[in-house]
Amino acid sequence: EVQLVESGGGLVKPGGSLRLSCVASGFTFSAQAMNWIRQAPGKGLEWVSSITRDSDYKFYADSVRGRFTVSRDNAKNSLYLQMNSLRVDDTAVYYCASSGTVDFDLWGQGTVVTVSS
Amino acid sequence: SSELTQDPAVSVALGQTVRITCQGDSLRSYSATWYQQRPGQAPVIVMYGKKKRPSGIPDRFSGFGSGNTASLTITGAQAEDEADYYCNSRDNSAKIPYIFGPGTKVTVL
Repeated sequence: EVQLVESGGGLVKPGGSLRLSCVASGFTFSAQAMNWIRQAPGKGLEWVSSITRDSDYKFYADSVRGRFTVSRDNAKNSLYLQMNSLRVDDTAVYYCASSGTVDFDLWGQGTVVTVSS
Repeated sequence: SSELTQDPAVSVALGQTVRITCQGDSLRSYSATWYQQRPGQAPVIVMYGKKKRPSGIPDRFSGFGSGNTASLTITGAQAEDEADYYCNSRDNSAKIPYIFGPGTKVTVL
């Protein structure tokens, strides 16, 4: 089955860190760019970060640049998002999405990150 | 960076037709992609490349794009089509590669 499964979300205090993971199955992970997209409670979708197939290029939204780091391990079919210096406004459901035929053509079910004191 | 605009909400009677639009300068250069998000679920792609429908998406969904506007039409709306719909495109600016519209809430009456 073609799927993406995120994990690693949770409750963290402002200033804290979390590492999200996304495991892919059912397709050639190493052949696709990968992305993180988030959705704050009751809000729309916000693109967060993207990484190319070979990790040559990484892109970040202004809101997370310098605090978040995207990485991948093609041998483990895994995508990661290291989140440091977390803020209350980082609270959201974080989705990983693959870029196959088209950008964001497959999404995971999401993992919830709550930043609160 | 560019931005995409969408109407916040539309309603449609069961079985009738509704069109959702998305506007933005980036659409002059890049095709829109449309996502359906039902409550509590992850987004699902329903249209890409202006009017290409992924396998498994009913043919009552159709797309169109011209100039700075893209549209998604549901012909014969069903109860299960009630959802939020987001458009997305690449961005003209080199700094931020992707942008999303704010979403349109479709209510099927």
